[in-house]
Amino acid sequence: AQSVTQPDIHITVSEGASLELRCNYSYGATPYLFWYVQSPGQGLQLLLKYFSGDTLVQGIKGFEAEFKRSQSSFNLRKPSVHWSDAAEYFCAVGGASGGSYIPTFGRGTSLIVHP
Amino acid sequence: DGGITQSPKYLFRKEGQNVTLSCEQNLNHDAMYWYRQDPGQGLRLIYYSQIVNDFQKGDIAEGYSVSREKKESFPLTVTSAQKNPTAFYLCASSSKTGYTFGSGTRLTVV
Repeated sequence: AQSVTQPDIHITVSEGASLELRCNYSYGATPYLFWYVQSPGQGLQLLLKYFSGDTLVQGIKGFEAEFKRSQSSFNLRKPSVHWSDAAEYFCAVGGASGGSYIPTFGRGTSLIVHP
Repeated sequence: DGGITQSPKYLFRKEGQNVTLSCEQNLNHDAMYWYRQDPGQGLRLIYYSQIVNDFQKGDIAEGYSVSREKKESFPLTVTSAQKNPTAFYLCASSSKTGYTFGSGTRLTVV
């Protein structure tokens, strides 16, 4: 069975500081990996995804993530955080099933940004 | 613009009543999904449908029902059998490039 662990429930950073959100997964084959962001009371927006190829993936809003198979990790990074980045972040792992994708989501990491 | 529309954004119902949440997409996606979100628990899959007139139970299907009569529509009914229905409900659809989510419906049962 596939699973995702986001070990940090909350992360607090100062504006302008660097950010790394951790994600560890369990999956039997090469996984499809995703990071989503959710603002309060809103749906989820896709930040980036990894299907294959280059293990360093660039996303929107200046985010990137690196797939490390040996560590079963897909950590999200940003070099300089902006106050508008404060939100809930979800990592997800999944694979193809009948042509669609049914990811399993982590419990989320809440990012707090101090001015 | 293509996307997913969930309505209403807020919904209040009395305990014991069934309620139906709407989800419509104009992305031409075959697959659609319903998730429930509770604080600190991430997203849990209720039902999904990969094609019209077919759907499958997810991890927490008890007390919920769905239909998929049209490709664009995947309504979710929260029945009186659902013991703790107050939650934030998210609908999604998918293609090979990933998921697209609606903006959610917050259901409060009083």
